[in-house]
Amino acid sequence: ELKVEQNPLFLSMQEGKNYTIYCNYSTTSDRLYWYRQDPGKSLESLFVLLSNGAVKQEGRLMASLDTKARLSTLHITAAVHDLSATYFCAVGSGGGADGLTFGKGTHLIIQP
Amino acid sequence: NAGVTQTPKFQVLKTGQSMTLQCAQDMNHNSMYWYRQDPGMGLRLIYYSASEGTTDKGEVPNGYNVSRLNKREFSLRLESAAPSQTSVYFCASRAGTTNTEAFFGQGTRLTVV
Repeated sequence: ELKVEQNPLFLSMQEGKNYTIYCNYSTTSDRLYWYRQDPGKSLESLFVLLSNGAVKQEGRLMASLDTKARLSTLHITAAVHDLSATYFCAVGSGGGADGLTFGKGTHLIIQP
Repeated sequence: NAGVTQTPKFQVLKTGQSMTLQCAQDMNHNSMYWYRQDPGMGLRLIYYSASEGTTDKGEVPNGYNVSRLNKREFSLRLESAAPSQTSVYFCASRAGTTNTEAFFGQGTRLTVV
């Protein structure tokens, strides 16, 4: 059974600081997705990582994938308040429709 | 572009009542999914459909049924609602079965009293 673990689950940080969210998963997969969710809203796709060593960047966010270590990271550079949200990683679990298995999410608060 | 549309957005049911959550996508996607989101639990897969005419159980299917009515529509039915089914339900769709991102609807907030 595929398990996806994120840490930390809660993070409060100051604007301008850097931090990394970690996503570990338990079985082989080369399909890793990051989503953002604002309170009371739907999930917005941030990154799709499809191979070992994949790195993608959008603004102050950068995601990477190490399939050998079964680890993905989401790095935040010089955080700003607008990045406050809950971030989920999800792993393709295979099977007929490759349903996504999600981590529990990292609730990120960025304070001025 | 509408993307993935869910109805209703909010619903309150009494224990034992039944209801159907509707989902439709206009992106010509093959795969569709139903997830539930509970505090501190992330999203858990209830049922999915890899293509029109096929459905399969996910991680937490008990108490639910689904219908893939056509390529666009995928409904989730609660036959006899229980308080444990109080949750936020998300429908999602993907173009293919792998290597593509899933697009999510706005969610249905369901309370069972």
